[in-house]
Amino acid sequence: AQKITQTQPGMFVQEKEAVTLDCTYDTSDQSYGLFWYKQPSSGEMIFLIYQGSYDEQNATEGRYSLNFQKARKSANLVISASQLGDSAMYFCAMREGGSYIPTFGRGTSLIVHP
Amino acid sequence: EAGVAQSPRYKIIEKRQSVAFWCNPISGHATLYWYQQILGQGPKLLIQFQNNGVVDDSQLPKDRFSAERLKGVDSTLKIQPAKLEDSAVYLCASSSGGWNTEAFFGQGTRLTVV
Repeated sequence: AQKITQTQPGMFVQEKEAVTLDCTYDTSDQSYGLFWYKQPSSGEMIFLIYQGSYDEQNATEGRYSLNFQKARKSANLVISASQLGDSAMYFCAMREGGSYIPTFGRGTSLIVHP
Repeated sequence: EAGVAQSPRYKIIEKRQSVAFWCNPISGHATLYWYQQILGQGPKLLIQFQNNGVVDDSQLPKDRFSAERLKGVDSTLKIQPAKLEDSAVYLCASSSGGWNTEAFFGQGTRLTVV
Protein backbone atom coordinates (compact mmCIF):
# COMPACT_ATOMS: atom_id res chain seq x y z
CA ALA A 1 0.00 0.00 0.00
CA GLN A 2 1.14 3.50 -0.77
CA LYS A 3 2.28 5.30 2.35
CA ILE A 4 2.20 8.72 0.70
CA THR A 5 -0.36 9.66 -1.94
CA GLN A 6 -0.23 12.81 -4.01
CA THR A 7 -3.25 12.76 -6.30
CA GLN A 8 -2.46 15.87 -8.35
CA PRO A 9 0.10 15.13 -11.08
CA GLY A 10 0.06 18.77 -12.17
CA MET A 11 -1.24 22.08 -10.92
CA PHE A 12 -1.39 25.51 -12.48
CA VAL A 13 -1.65 28.76 -10.57
CA GLN A 14 -1.48 32.40 -11.47
CA GLU A 15 1.28 34.50 -10.01
CA LYS A 16 0.39 36.06 -6.62
CA GLU A 17 -2.44 33.61 -5.99
CA ALA A 18 -2.43 30.87 -3.36
CA VAL A 19 -2.30 27.18 -4.21
CA THR A 20 -2.85 23.99 -2.23
CA LEU A 21 -0.97 20.78 -2.99
CA ASP A 22 -2.59 17.66 -1.59
CA CYS A 23 -0.93 14.87 0.38
CA THR A 24 -2.47 11.97 2.25
CA TYR A 25 -0.53 9.41 4.22
CA ASP A 26 -0.96 5.99 5.72
CA THR A 27 0.65 4.86 8.95
CA SER A 28 -0.22 3.02 12.12
CA ASP A 29 2.60 4.67 14.07
CA GLN A 30 1.72 7.33 16.60
CA SER A 31 5.04 9.08 16.06
CA TYR A 32 5.81 10.31 12.59
CA GLY A 33 7.02 13.34 10.74
CA LEU A 34 5.73 14.83 7.52
CA PHE A 35 7.95 16.81 5.17
CA TRP A 36 7.53 18.78 1.99
CA TYR A 37 10.35 19.21 -0.51
CA LYS A 38 10.66 21.29 -3.65
CA GLN A 39 12.60 19.99 -6.63
CA PRO A 40 13.29 22.58 -9.33
CA SER A 41 14.50 21.58 -12.77
CA SER A 42 18.10 21.68 -11.49
CA GLY A 43 17.31 18.48 -9.61
CA GLU A 44 18.22 19.30 -6.03
CA MET A 45 15.63 18.52 -3.38
CA ILE A 46 15.02 21.54 -1.16
CA PHE A 47 13.42 21.12 2.25
CA LEU A 48 10.41 23.42 2.76
CA ILE A 49 8.47 22.55 5.89
CA TYR A 50 8.01 19.93 8.59
CA GLN A 51 5.02 18.81 10.68
CA GLY A 52 5.32 16.39 13.56
CA SER A 53 2.49 14.06 14.48
CA TYR A 54 2.30 15.53 17.97
CA ASP A 55 2.34 19.14 16.84
CA GLU A 56 -1.01 20.72 17.60
CA GLN A 57 -0.49 23.79 15.44
CA ASN A 58 -0.04 23.82 11.70
CA ALA A 59 3.53 24.47 10.66
CA THR A 60 4.38 27.66 8.81
CA GLU A 61 7.58 28.80 7.10
CA GLY A 62 7.29 32.11 5.33
CA ARG A 63 4.92 31.67 2.39
CA TYR A 64 4.56 27.96 3.09
CA SER A 65 2.08 26.50 5.52
CA LEU A 66 0.98 22.97 6.15
CA ASN A 67 -2.70 22.18 6.62
CA PHE A 68 -2.43 19.19 8.94
CA GLN A 69 -5.60 17.18 9.51
CA LYS A 70 -4.53 14.22 11.59
CA ALA A 71 -7.87 12.41 11.68
CA ARG A 72 -8.07 12.53 7.90
CA LYS A 73 -4.36 11.71 7.56
CA SER A 74 -3.76 14.63 5.28
CA ALA A 75 -0.90 17.13 5.18
CA ASN A 76 -1.57 19.59 2.42
CA LEU A 77 0.97 22.26 1.48
CA VAL A 78 -0.34 25.77 1.00
CA ILE A 79 1.80 28.25 -0.91
CA SER A 80 0.59 31.82 -0.57
CA ALA A 81 1.33 34.59 -3.04
CA SER A 82 2.84 32.28 -5.68
CA GLN A 83 5.95 33.43 -7.49
CA LEU A 84 7.31 32.38 -10.86
CA GLY A 85 10.23 30.76 -9.04
CA ASP A 86 7.83 28.41 -7.29
CA SER A 87 7.43 26.44 -10.51
CA ALA A 88 8.87 23.02 -9.64
CA MET A 89 8.02 19.49 -8.53
CA TYR A 90 6.77 19.22 -4.96
CA PHE A 91 7.13 16.06 -2.94
CA CYS A 92 5.44 15.04 0.28
CA ALA A 93 7.39 12.63 2.47
CA MET A 94 6.96 10.83 5.77
CA ARG A 95 9.26 9.30 8.34
CA GLU A 96 7.69 6.91 10.79
CA GLY A 97 9.06 6.74 14.30
CA GLY A 98 9.04 2.98 14.26
CA SER A 99 11.06 2.47 11.11
CA TYR A 100 12.99 5.72 10.57
CA ILE A 101 12.73 5.05 6.83
CA PRO A 102 11.62 8.09 4.83
CA THR A 103 9.04 7.52 2.08
CA PHE A 104 8.21 9.94 -0.71
CA GLY A 105 5.10 10.45 -2.79
CA ARG A 106 5.13 10.65 -6.59
CA GLY A 107 5.10 14.42 -6.56
CA THR A 108 3.03 17.24 -7.99
CA SER A 109 4.26 19.49 -10.75
CA LEU A 110 3.41 23.12 -10.08
CA ILE A 111 3.50 25.71 -12.83
CA VAL A 112 3.11 29.35 -11.92
CA HIS A 113 2.18 31.56 -14.84
CA PRO A 114 2.23 35.34 -15.04
CA GLU B 1 27.93 25.36 6.09
CA ALA B 2 28.77 23.19 3.10
CA GLY B 3 25.96 21.09 1.71
CA VAL B 4 25.89 17.49 0.56
CA ALA B 5 28.42 16.96 -2.21
CA GLN B 6 27.97 14.38 -4.94
CA SER B 7 30.02 13.41 -7.93
CA PRO B 8 29.89 13.01 -10.80
CA ARG B 9 26.90 15.10 -11.87
CA TYR B 10 26.36 13.13 -15.05
CA LYS B 11 27.42 9.70 -16.25
CA ILE B 12 26.70 7.79 -19.42
CA ILE B 13 27.68 4.13 -19.60
CA GLU B 14 26.85 1.10 -21.68
CA LYS B 15 24.82 -1.72 -20.21
CA ARG B 16 26.87 -4.33 -18.37
CA GLN B 17 29.50 -1.75 -17.45
CA SER B 18 30.12 -0.70 -13.88
CA VAL B 19 29.77 2.73 -12.32
CA ALA B 20 30.39 4.33 -8.93
CA PHE B 21 28.95 7.41 -7.30
CA TRP B 22 30.45 9.32 -4.42
CA CYS B 23 28.78 11.32 -1.66
CA ASN B 24 30.14 13.54 1.09
CA PRO B 25 27.44 14.42 3.63
CA ILE B 26 27.10 17.51 5.76
CA SER B 27 29.70 17.47 8.50
CA GLY B 28 28.41 15.83 11.65
CA HIS B 29 25.40 14.17 10.05
CA ALA B 30 25.24 10.60 11.24
CA THR B 31 22.54 9.44 8.84
CA LEU B 32 23.18 9.07 5.13
CA TYR B 33 20.72 7.98 2.45
CA TRP B 34 20.99 6.90 -1.16
CA TYR B 35 17.87 7.33 -3.25
CA GLN B 36 17.04 6.35 -6.81
CA GLN B 37 14.71 8.71 -8.66
CA ILE B 38 13.38 7.48 -11.97
CA LEU B 39 12.02 10.16 -14.27
CA GLY B 40 8.50 11.19 -13.28
CA GLN B 41 8.59 9.43 -9.92
CA GLY B 42 9.43 10.26 -6.34
CA PRO B 43 12.74 9.20 -4.82
CA LYS B 44 12.97 5.59 -3.72
CA LEU B 45 15.23 4.76 -0.80
CA LEU B 46 17.98 2.31 -1.71
CA ILE B 47 19.99 2.26 1.48
CA GLN B 48 20.22 4.14 4.77
CA PHE B 49 23.32 4.31 6.94
CA GLN B 50 23.60 5.34 10.56
CA ASN B 51 27.26 6.21 10.99
CA ASN B 52 28.91 3.30 9.14
CA GLY B 53 26.20 0.75 9.86
CA VAL B 54 23.33 -0.13 7.55
CA VAL B 55 19.87 0.73 8.92
CA ASP B 56 17.90 -0.46 5.90
CA ASP B 57 18.81 -1.84 2.50
CA SER B 58 15.62 -3.74 1.76
CA GLN B 59 15.12 -2.00 -1.61
CA LEU B 60 18.71 -2.28 -2.77
CA PRO B 61 19.11 -4.79 -5.64
CA LYS B 62 21.97 -6.56 -3.99
CA ASP B 63 22.85 -8.70 -6.98
CA ARG B 64 24.16 -5.59 -8.74
CA PHE B 65 24.17 -2.68 -6.31
CA SER B 66 26.50 -2.20 -3.38
CA ALA B 67 27.17 0.68 -1.04
CA GLU B 68 29.59 1.41 1.72
CA ARG B 69 30.25 4.17 4.18
CA LEU B 70 33.71 3.80 5.54
CA LYS B 71 34.56 5.66 8.75
CA GLY B 72 30.98 6.92 8.93
CA VAL B 73 31.55 9.87 6.62
CA ASP B 74 31.81 9.56 2.81
CA SER B 75 29.86 6.95 0.95
CA THR B 76 30.06 5.26 -2.42
CA LEU B 77 27.29 3.53 -4.34
CA LYS B 78 28.29 1.07 -7.05
CA ILE B 79 26.36 -0.64 -9.80
CA GLN B 80 27.89 -3.68 -11.48
CA PRO B 81 26.75 -4.63 -14.07
CA ALA B 82 24.41 -1.82 -15.06
CA LYS B 83 21.10 -2.43 -16.79
CA LEU B 84 19.03 -0.09 -18.94
CA GLU B 85 16.44 0.25 -16.17
CA ASP B 86 19.10 1.69 -13.84
CA SER B 87 18.91 4.96 -15.76
CA ALA B 88 17.85 7.45 -13.11
CA VAL B 89 19.05 10.22 -10.86
CA TYR B 90 20.87 8.97 -7.78
CA LEU B 91 20.42 11.27 -4.85
CA CYS B 92 22.45 11.30 -1.69
CA ALA B 93 21.05 12.91 1.44
CA SER B 94 22.09 13.29 5.04
CA SER B 95 20.41 14.20 8.30
CA SER B 96 21.47 14.76 11.85
CA GLY B 97 19.41 11.90 13.22
CA GLY B 98 15.91 11.25 14.48
CA TRP B 99 12.70 10.67 12.63
CA ASN B 100 11.72 14.30 13.06
CA THR B 101 14.73 15.81 11.33
CA GLU B 102 14.77 16.83 7.71
CA ALA B 103 17.19 15.40 5.19
CA PHE B 104 19.46 17.61 3.12
CA PHE B 105 20.05 16.50 -0.44
CA GLY B 106 22.88 16.77 -2.88
CA GLN B 107 22.34 17.73 -6.50
CA GLY B 108 22.33 14.13 -7.60
CA THR B 109 24.04 12.09 -10.28
CA ARG B 110 22.13 11.58 -13.50
CA LEU B 111 22.96 8.13 -14.85
CA THR B 112 22.11 7.12 -18.39
CA VAL B 113 22.63 3.50 -19.37
CA VAL B 114 22.66 2.89 -23.13
